[in-house]
Amino acid sequence: DQQVKQNSPSLSVQEGRISILNCDYTNSMFDYFLWYKKYPAEGPTFLISISSIKDKNEDGRFTVFLNKSAKHLSLHIVPSQPGDSAVYFCAARRIQGAQKLVFGQGTRLTINP
Amino acid sequence: NAGVTQTPKFRILKIGQSMTLQCTQDMNHNYMYWYRQDPGMGLKLIYYSVGAGITDKGEVPNGYNVSRSTTEDFPLRLELAAPSQTSVYFCASSLGVALETQYFGPGTRLLVL
Repeated sequence: DQQVKQNSPSLSVQEGRISILNCDYTNSMFDYFLWYKKYPAEGPTFLISISSIKDKNEDGRFTVFLNKSAKHLSLHIVPSQPGDSAVYFCAARRIQGAQKLVFGQGTRLTINP
Repeated sequence: NAGVTQTPKFRILKIGQSMTLQCTQDMNHNYMYWYRQDPGMGLKLIYYSVGAGITDKGEVPNGYNVSRSTTEDFPLRLELAAPSQTSVYFCASSLGVALETQYFGPGTRLLVL
């Protein structure tokens, strides 16, 4: 039973345009959501997060939106750059407790020059 | 400050062999985690620890064992390797405070033949 889903395995975007990556979750107990970026042969690195008391969090070119009623979050990258080409994982957890992360399957983003 | 380090980087095992994947962090983090990532899939939690001497099962613990005798080290043991354990293994750590993220090591690629 996939609690966190990323339904697009891949996304291709032109350099300078907006990249939008989507994520859905089913467990209403999740109250903290994170995006990780992963390059080949490296571990995931933290990108941006949002807690359930907010609906938007911005950090430079990256913005995460949370729609709790739809159990949906999205990551916007504007403008997209070639170095953004990577696999992006959405993850969710509870703020308290052991903070175990549940990951989506990942979306491979390719930025074309 | 090396962060989270994992050894070995790559290993080939024969069915039935055993091995220990090493993980060390130098950030004085309380919480540590082991995940596995199968091709095209997200990361799944194997075991986690919220402090020295305390460990618990994650989503996919079968075939693995862990111990946490020090804050820094969290080794993962495979007793009887099976082809289904072919995967990339990531260790992660975090402080354990509410909105803290997890920091990942570079991963160990394991092939069981």
